[in-house]
Amino acid sequence: NAGVMQNPRHLVRRRGQEARLRCSPMKGHSHVYWYRQLPEEGLKFMVYLQKENIIDESGMPKERFSAEFPKEGPSILRIQQVVRGDSAAYFCASSPPGTGNNEQFFGPGTRLTVL
Amino acid sequence: AQSVTQLGSHVSVSEGALVLLRCNYSSSVPPYLFWYVQYPNQGLQLLLKYTSAATLVKGINGFEAEFKKSETSFHLTKPSAHMSDAAEYFCAVSVNTGNQFYFGTGTSLTVIP
Repeated sequence: NAGVMQNPRHLVRRRGQEARLRCSPMKGHSHVYWYRQLPEEGLKFMVYLQKENIIDESGMPKERFSAEFPKEGPSILRIQQVVRGDSAAYFCASSPPGTGNNEQFFGPGTRLTVL
Repeated sequence: AQSVTQLGSHVSVSEGALVLLRCNYSSSVPPYLFWYVQYPNQGLQLLLKYTSAATLVKGINGFEAEFKKSETSFHLTKPSAHMSDAAEYFCAVSVNTGNQFYFGTGTSLTVIP
């Protein structure tokens, strides 16, 4: 059973460009979570999605950031008009229905560098 | 609200010595507690978790942690450090009424040969 997959693993963007980060949850998992890890810090929750629904986006910056988890295909975290402060590692986690508070499986992360 | 404090951002131990990484949590409801390990440029790997069963939890790679409600602590220990234990360790908390994990700022473990 493949784990959570994220791509790309490394992404370099110039200021003002768009970044798209993809996450494929583990097989059988319908819940996805995105976290951001700034340098020298722990992971901070951004958003929690189920298929076609955003359940909790309380940690998502109000502007430039959006997330989706379509019926088919991976979950996507989209950052428009990136700035240097967006440079971070972005981790996706997934869980089976009903277990997200005690079991989340993390992907390897996407390391975004904004030049 | 939930939060996690990891005392000591950097810990160094000699190979073969005891590893003790500290984690204190704050939660208004019974928590679930986790320890994750992160190797350089990799994702998070679950070491162990406490979900209201036995208070002494055994995990992978010889690690264990004890939930102490009176001290609001969940410290991670390993009797004998190995060079391969050098990594970043994160403590996290969640609750059964929520879905997000709250992470500490991490402790970087160095093992000295």
